[in-house]
Amino acid sequence: EDQVTQSPEALRLQEGESSSLNCSYTVSGLRGLFWYRQDPGKGPEFLFTLYSAGEEKEKERLKATLTKKESFLHITAPKPEDSATYLCAVLSNATSYGKLTFGQGTILTVHP
Amino acid sequence: EAGVAQSPRYKIIEKRQSVAFWCNPISGHATLYWYQQILGQGPKLLIQFQNNGVVDDSQLPKDRFSAERLKGVDSTLKIQPAKLEDSAVYLCASSRQRRHVRNEQFFGPGTRLTVL
Repeated sequence: EDQVTQSPEALRLQEGESSSLNCSYTVSGLRGLFWYRQDPGKGPEFLFTLYSAGEEKEKERLKATLTKKESFLHITAPKPEDSATYLCAVLSNATSYGKLTFGQGTILTVHP
Repeated sequence: EAGVAQSPRYKIIEKRQSVAFWCNPISGHATLYWYQQILGQGPKLLIQFQNNGVVDDSQLPKDRFSAERLKGVDSTLKIQPAKLEDSAVYLCASSRQRRHVRNEQFFGPGTRLTVL
């Protein structure tokens, strides 16, 4: 069974204080790893897809990296508007149906 | 491009009552998903449609939950009868096709259900 564990559960940063969120996974053949952002009262918003170990993707202050066991979401010089829950999900080769398994999320709060 | 639409946004019912949620996916998206998100947890897939056929409903509590997707477009998720533990946000998502490598799923705003 695919499993995704995110850490920490919550992270509080000062504006400009860079940090990283972790997503550890076990999956029977990784087809893709997805990062989503979720604001209160809204559905998850797609950020990145990573397909193979060593791959990196960037978007504004966010950078996602992937190894064979985990993914990191690096946040450089965060701003208060980066406050949200960040969700990680995996898509395995064991299913042909595109079923995502999500972690529980990391709640990020950035204080001005 | 319009996003995934869901209604209602909020619903409060008594236990043992029935409730239905509606979803309209992004135009042209063949695959539609219903997720349940309990407070403090990540979304959990309930059912997945490819066009108007079910391809995965392994985590759907079939004794009380049902879903349909008529004509391969809109979908309805129903709970009958509701239990207290069904209180959650019900998210609808869509993607272009199930076997597409870039299987980005796009989510609607969700329906927050409270069962009293």
